[in-house]
Amino acid sequence: DTGVSQDPRHKITKRGQNVTFRCDPISEHNRLYWYRQTLGQGPEFLTYFQNEAQLEKSRLLSDRFSAERPKGSFSTLEIQRTEQGDSAMYLCASWGASSNTQYFGPGTRLTVL
Amino acid sequence: RKEVEQDPGPFNVPEGATVAFNCTYSNSASQSFFWYRQDCRKEPKLLMSVYSSGNEDGRFTAQLNRASQYISLLIRDSKLSDSATYLCVVNIRGEKLTFGTGTRLTIIP
Repeated sequence: DTGVSQDPRHKITKRGQNVTFRCDPISEHNRLYWYRQTLGQGPEFLTYFQNEAQLEKSRLLSDRFSAERPKGSFSTLEIQRTEQGDSAMYLCASWGASSNTQYFGPGTRLTVL
Repeated sequence: RKEVEQDPGPFNVPEGATVAFNCTYSNSASQSFFWYRQDCRKEPKLLMSVYSSGNEDGRFTAQLNRASQYISLLIRDSKLSDSATYLCVVNIRGEKLTFGTGTRLTIIP
């Protein structure tokens, strides 16, 4: 257990529905990252926050995706009007000044029917 | 060209054998390097950082060649529990991680 938690662990939804995922990073870590992983691929960067500021967004993050970290602690990732191509594992990671790399949560596995 | 390239495998090796994985990266500005391990349907976990001087952690040895932009991982005396996907990872600007596709390893009893 890395200390990063994600909820829910699994989500099945119908195409067109909205979904929201939550990530709680390691408490002293000021950076929080979202990645997406599809079968047979490595994780791909989506976006990251330093405290409450969203500093970078990947071109993978279409306008249907939005992420927030309102108080600089937990973060949410929302996908609107889900499509079958959104089916993937959504991973959250955190980093702090005392760390040499990022530590990942268990992920949220999304299946869009 | 992908930023980080790995042979996806699969590598099927007998227990006790030595196995080596290689990885190349394209961005010469890459700052830090790692191997992560990922078990089936689990999150990636840090296996070890990789330094130019080479570093060892038990049965695992990692090496970085900045001139060739090449990273390697050697596993000696492989165990059944080493079966997993090994992800080569670079950090380009000290921010996001860039992953290879991973190399799947299966240790055969």
